[in-house]
Formats: sequence, C-alpha cells, structure tokens
Amino acid sequence: SYVLTQPPSVSVAPGKTARITCEGNNIGSKNLHWYQQKSGQAPVLVIDYANDRPSGIPERFTGSNSGNTATLTISGAEAGDEADYYCQVWDSSTDHVLFGGGTKLTVL
Amino acid sequence: QEQLVESGGGLVKPGGSLRLSCAASRFTFRDYYMSWVRQAPGKGLEWVSYISSSGTIKYYADSVKGRFTISRDNAKNSLYLQMNSLRAEDTAVYYCARATIPARPSGMDVWGRGTTVTVSS
Repeated sequence: SYVLTQPPSVSVAPGKTARITCEGNNIGSKNLHWYQQKSGQAPVLVIDYANDRPSGIPERFTGSNSGNTATLTISGAEAGDEADYYCQVWDSSTDHVLFGGGTKLTVL
Repeated sequence: QEQLVESGGGLVKPGGSLRLSCAASRFTFRDYYMSWVRQAPGKGLEWVSYISSSGTIKYYADSVKGRFTISRDNAKNSLYLQMNSLRAEDTAVYYCARATIPARPSGMDVWGRGTTVTVSS
C-alpha cells in the first residue's frame, strides 16, 4: 500500500526558512495537500494541490512536489508557526485518503 | 464563513454503537464531497470515510469498513457517521471536513472543531 513519510520533527530559528518533506513513491504525480494543526485545534489547509495557498494563508507558506518528494517551505518562520504539519494525498488506486505521519515544527 | 459543527460523541462500551452528526452552514452543502477524519489521543490524522455530493459513492478506510457507515441528508445540510461494533482503538476526536473541489475527493478546506468518542468499559 502507498505510504507517505514525514520527519517526526523539524526545528528552525525565528526568521529562518523551515522545510518539511513528505516522501512517497512517485508522489509528484499525485495531488498533494498540506495541513497545519496547532495544539488543541482542528487542522487548517495551508497548501492545496501542491502549491496553491487558500485564502488567508500567508505568502510565507509555499509548496512543491516533484519526483518522490513534496516539500512545504515556511519562509521567515514565526513563533506562531509552531504546529504539527501533515501532508495528504488521494490514492486513486485504492480510493483512500492517506495522511503522512506528521511533522512537529519547533521555532526556537 | 463556512461552518461545520460536529455532535454526538461520548463514552461508549466496546461493542457499542454511536452516531455522529455534522451540521453544515454558509455554503451549498449538496455540492461537495464530505469526509470524516479522526485523531486518536497523541496521534496523527487518520482518514475514516468520504461520501460523494449526492451520497451515492462512499469510501471507507480499511480499519472501519464493515463497521462504520457514512451518510448525508442534503435537505438538512447534515453529514452522519454511524459507528457500530466500536473498539478501544476507535477512541479519537472525530472531525468532519469539506473537500476543496466540488464533486470529487480532494484536499479538505473546511473543518469542524471535532467531537470526542471514547470507547471504554
């Protein structure tokens, strides 16, 4: 079955750039979405279809998806960006939604 | 702003049943695929089920197939999840969510705050 692999944690200094990866076999061929989930809150879609930002999401959040790796890039990281981040695809071979295991972003 | 509000969670014994509801407002509910996603305590997101805009197409995660049933009432702007034969591992916060693209599964751009289901004797 298809698997999405994310690093458990990523740390970044304030003002620097954080990169969170999501790996999967030929993931570049799939529609890829990213969510931010702050502690005790519901997830928020931050990147849709690999690199589209929904309304209200800062331009600091960008995405890319190619080959076997998708990347969520957060430029100028802020304390308020501390959260868990999840990648997600629709696997058409199984008609299942798949989430990555999540990455905890720490801004320190 | 679009809104989803879940209800129906609670404490249930193993083997028991529960029905979750999700009330939608401020968007044309009947146009969108809808989903249930859950999160066990301290764990990541796990997709549970998706239903087409008309309710005729349904998808389920392997972990719930045969035990859970997703349904919707477009006249009432409501989504449901009937959960039977509940197990301890079904304990989680259950979120309903809207697909971003009308008429097919995709990313999910509107989420409720969740309702908590606890399965314990």
